[in-house]
This record gives sequence, structure tokens and C-alpha cells, in this order.
Amino acid sequence: RKEVEQDPGPFNVPEGATVAFNCTYSNSASQSFFWYRQDCRKEPKLLMSVYSSGNEDGRFTAQLNRASQYISLLIRDSKLSDSATYLCVVNEGGNQFYFGTGTSLTVIP
Amino acid sequence: GAVVSQHPSRVICKSGTSVKIECRSLDFQATTMFWYRQFPKKSLMLMATSNEGSKATYEQGVEKDKFLINHASLTLSTLTVTSAHPEDSSFYICSARDPRRGNSPLHFGNGTRLTVT
Repeated sequence: RKEVEQDPGPFNVPEGATVAFNCTYSNSASQSFFWYRQDCRKEPKLLMSVYSSGNEDGRFTAQLNRASQYISLLIRDSKLSDSATYLCVVNEGGNQFYFGTGTSLTVIP
Repeated sequence: GAVVSQHPSRVICKSGTSVKIECRSLDFQATTMFWYRQFPKKSLMLMATSNEGSKATYEQGVEKDKFLINHASLTLSTLTVTSAHPEDSSFYICSARDPRRGNSPLHFGNGTRLTVT
């Protein structure tokens, strides 16, 4: 059983659409949660940390559901430049980080 | 700006040679750094955890004698791919987190694209 499960997609959506990704985790004691964006042939870059109360940054909203053990990322009004792989990362404490497989998003004109 | 720096960003070498990749934390001291490998269209795979002043911890299936890790200072870890072969061609990335901040995220280096001919 994987520590973190993520639908690899691909998600192909038109410009302006709203798209949501989920990521489930197996360890209920997991402490911190993150969403990263990875462009082709580049390193992952931190998009958002995910807080218990949920947090928003412009068109991006991240939420944590501890009862169901998943985190989500919502992208509103998708732009072409949002095309990338979105990676969830879960920290179970200390240096125990677990990665999802990444979800591929393509925004179509 | 970048908080983790990786060098070189790209290297082409001949089969049988060794390649050293450096990973530096710029704004903090990192007792632990992580090394990953990523093949095209595949997920990041953790290779090893680099520990300052002690031996690295390797993931199952990663040859420690082939991928030498040295973490000699609190801001520098190196990965040496020894006797490289074409199948070692990949994207190698390091990461570290700032231990001063609780629940801090991982910061990734910009990656090293290795091509072995």
C-alpha cells in the first residue's frame, strides 16, 4: 500500500475551466502537506502548503480533510500556463516525506 | 530566490567516467539532504538520504558503491555517479528542508540532467 496515492491523469481541460486534484494519504498521523508544480524537464517548485483550515492563493485553493485523509487542489479559471504536473507531498514527521506520482494537467486553448 | 542550489545543471560524459553533482543549501544548514532520480514521464524516485557527518541511507535497489554520497558540511552534499553507463542517464535532483522551521517544505535544487554516451 502506497503512503500517498494520486491520480496521474492526464487531465485535459479548456481554458477558463475549474479543475480539482485529490491526493490521499495512509498515515493518519501525517503532519504537513504540500502541493508542488513540476514543469517538463524542471525541478518541482512549491506551489502551496496545505493548512488545516484550507488556504487560497489567487486562483488556487488547497484543502485538507483529515477525517478522510486527503488533500485537494482546486484551480479556477485555468490558464494555458497552468499546464504542468502537480505533485502532492506528505510529511509524516521529521524527514519522512512521501510523494504522489503527480497529476498531469494540460490546459487547452 | 533559490534556497537550494545544484550544480551542474547539465552534463554529458562518456561511458565509464564518473560524474560529481553538488547540492548546496544557501539560506540554512541542512543536516539532511535527499537525492532523487527521475526518468522521462516518470515520478521522482528517492535514491538516498544524505546525512551530515554520517553514512547516507540508500533506498532499496540503489547501489551505494555506484552512487557515492558525501555530506561533509552542513551546506553541501555531493552525489558521484561512478563508472557511468548509458542507463544512468537521467534527471538527478536534490532537496532539503530548513530545520529551523517546523513543518517546513522541501526545497529542490534545479536538477542535473546527466547524459552518458
